[in-house]
Amino acid sequence: QKEVEQNSGPLSVPEGAIASLNCTYSDRGSQSFFWYRQYSGKSPELIMFIYSNGDKEDGRFTAQLNKASQYVSLLIRDSQPSDSATYLCAVPGGGADGLTFGKGTHLIIQP
Amino acid sequence: EPEVTQTPSHQVTQMGQEVILRCVPISNHLYFYWYRQILGQKVEFLVSFYNNEISEKSEIFDDQFSVERPDGSNFTLKIRSTKLEDSAMYFCASSEVDEQYFGPGTRLTVT
Repeated sequence: QKEVEQNSGPLSVPEGAIASLNCTYSDRGSQSFFWYRQYSGKSPELIMFIYSNGDKEDGRFTAQLNKASQYVSLLIRDSQPSDSATYLCAVPGGGADGLTFGKGTHLIIQP
Repeated sequence: EPEVTQTPSHQVTQMGQEVILRCVPISNHLYFYWYRQILGQKVEFLVSFYNNEISEKSEIFDDQFSVERPDGSNFTLKIRSTKLEDSAMYFCASSEVDEQYFGPGTRLTVT
């Protein structure tokens, strides 16, 4: 059974700094990885996905994947108070398989 | 921008009653999913649906649950005889290939 592990936090970061969120996964055969943002009482919102080892940048967000270490991370540059949310790491089974989510990291950006 | 929609936003029902949760996936998407999130817990996969049949289901998706695509746009989740522990947020998601986009959710409260 796939496992996805995240530090639940809270992770407190000052406004303007870089927030670093980490995730490890158990299935060495996993091929794709997703980061969702979830505000309290709202649904998960897809913000980044990565398939290949290395870095992928999209605006203020950078996803980093290291398949050898089974580790994926999300960096948020120039953190804003609106980035305060729970960030969920998710791994699919492939094809039409469902996502296995981590418990999420609660990020707080301090003004 | 296309989005997944869900109705109702909140459903209150008595234990033992049947409920039907409705979803309209993004129109060109081929894969459909249901997830649930019990308050304070992680998002859990229930079932995936492709080509008018179930592709995968989790251990949670027992005989009390069923899914249907009654027409070209709607995707429904039925719970036949609700239990107190079915109280949760239920999210519908859809994908064209891998990236899954979530609807706003239905909060189900079983009393």
